Amino acid sequence: QVQLVQSGSELKKPGASVIVSCKTSGYTFTNYAMNWVRQAPGQGLEWMAWINTNTGQPTYAQGFTGRFVFSLDTSVNTAYLQISSLKAEDTAVYYCAREAVGGFDHWGQGTLVSVSS
Amino acid sequence: QSALTQPRSVSGSPGQSVTISCTGTSSDVGGHNYVSWFQQHPGKAPKVIIYDVSKRPSGVPDRFSGSKSGNSASLTISGLQAEDEADYYCCSYVGSYKVFGGGTKLTVL
Repeated sequence: QVQLVQSGSELKKPGASVIVSCKTSGYTFTNYAMNWVRQAPGQGLEWMAWINTNTGQPTYAQGFTGRFVFSLDTSVNTAYLQISSLKAEDTAVYYCAREAVGGFDHWGQGTLVSVSS
Repeated sequence: QSALTQPRSVSGSPGQSVTISCTGTSSDVGGHNYVSWFQQHPGKAPKVIIYDVSKRPSGVPDRFSGSKSGNSASLTISGLQAEDEADYYCCSYVGSYKVFGGGTKLTVL
């Protein structure tokens, strides 16, 4: 069955970097685009980017350029989100979501990134 | 891309029907039929319940239905059950981008 398993929670200090991984199984990784979605504490869902898993080319939402890098390792069917120069406002749960025809059909369990001094 | 507009909260009693609206523009909701709805219980990942405006993934009860008129989409939940209490989000494509609604908290009274 299709699975998207994300890395565990992270506690970081301001200015540090973090990498969130999303390991997939149960389907052909390059047949589906991958998306990333952020959810700040008590807030709604915010679309961050999608990545063409064939070319590795990301398309970023406004506000997620610069410090946010989205990448892939197709040899291990895994997508990555790297955030640098972390700020307190980056504290959120980050989800990866597979994109099928019509939208996001499978989601990772979410990774909580907490930024605090 | 501006977030789609949803009511902050709706409520209904068991067995009743509720409708959640999702208002956008001709560039997003009104421009195509790629509108999805997600259900999210506390501490859980979102789950798709409607895609392409009105299609239900397998396993989603037919109590959940979607529709669209102009720049607004709607999710209707009929025969409300206690387990329907959750947050609901709409999502639309906007060219190469996606945009979510602000979310609606459904309370089953």
